[in-house]
Amino acid sequence: QKEVEQDPGPLSVPEGAIVSLNCTYSNSAFQYFMWYRQYSRKGPELLMYTYSSGNKEDGRFTAQVDKSSKYISLFIRDSQPSDSATYLCAMTFGRGGGGADGLTFGKGTHLIIQP
Amino acid sequence: DVKVTQSSRYLVKRTGEKVFLECVQDMDHENMFWYRQDPGLGLRLIYFSYDVKMKEKGDIPEGYSVSREKKERFSLILESASTNQTSMYLCASSGPRGTQYFGPGTRLLVL
Repeated sequence: QKEVEQDPGPLSVPEGAIVSLNCTYSNSAFQYFMWYRQYSRKGPELLMYTYSSGNKEDGRFTAQVDKSSKYISLFIRDSQPSDSATYLCAMTFGRGGGGADGLTFGKGTHLIIQP
Repeated sequence: DVKVTQSSRYLVKRTGEKVFLECVQDMDHENMFWYRQDPGLGLRLIYFSYDVKMKEKGDIPEGYSVSREKKERFSLILESASTNQTSMYLCASSGPRGTQYFGPGTRLLVL
């Protein structure tokens, strides 16, 4: 099975707050984990990419993967109104180095940053 | 920058029509994908292709077919459009690390 669970929100926080977004999954075969940001009526935009367990930081964004718990997180520091969007977690099995499989997505969390 | 383009942003079709959605990528990627996105259901994989003329079914292939005659172009075909195929259609391509890059999407309304 390929279920990925993600709280749909909406999640509303004040500007400058730290945001924590999470997904859980059931299939231990997933190897590659991603976070996408999607603005209304646009295509998803890749934010973060992680292989297996561990942390990865890029500017105000930190992605964490805990494969033992089947749990992934995205943290946004110093949140800005422009961060208001839907955030999608996604994962794949890793055939062909990760590129040959479709992604399984969470349903997305709608994030609102209040000025 | 990776660029994935889709032929139309909005389409209105009638039930029973044959519909073609076109996608082009400019990064020489081997793998291309078609998803549909619906409220409450998220993104679901319809078909993907890992090489020219090769295709694999995704999670919801019924009612769809695909064509990949050239590496940069991947087409989704609705053989006989139905109202339950009204959706946002997203094309993506990926390189060897598995990161997928999406086009802007096509909003299809079937009346």
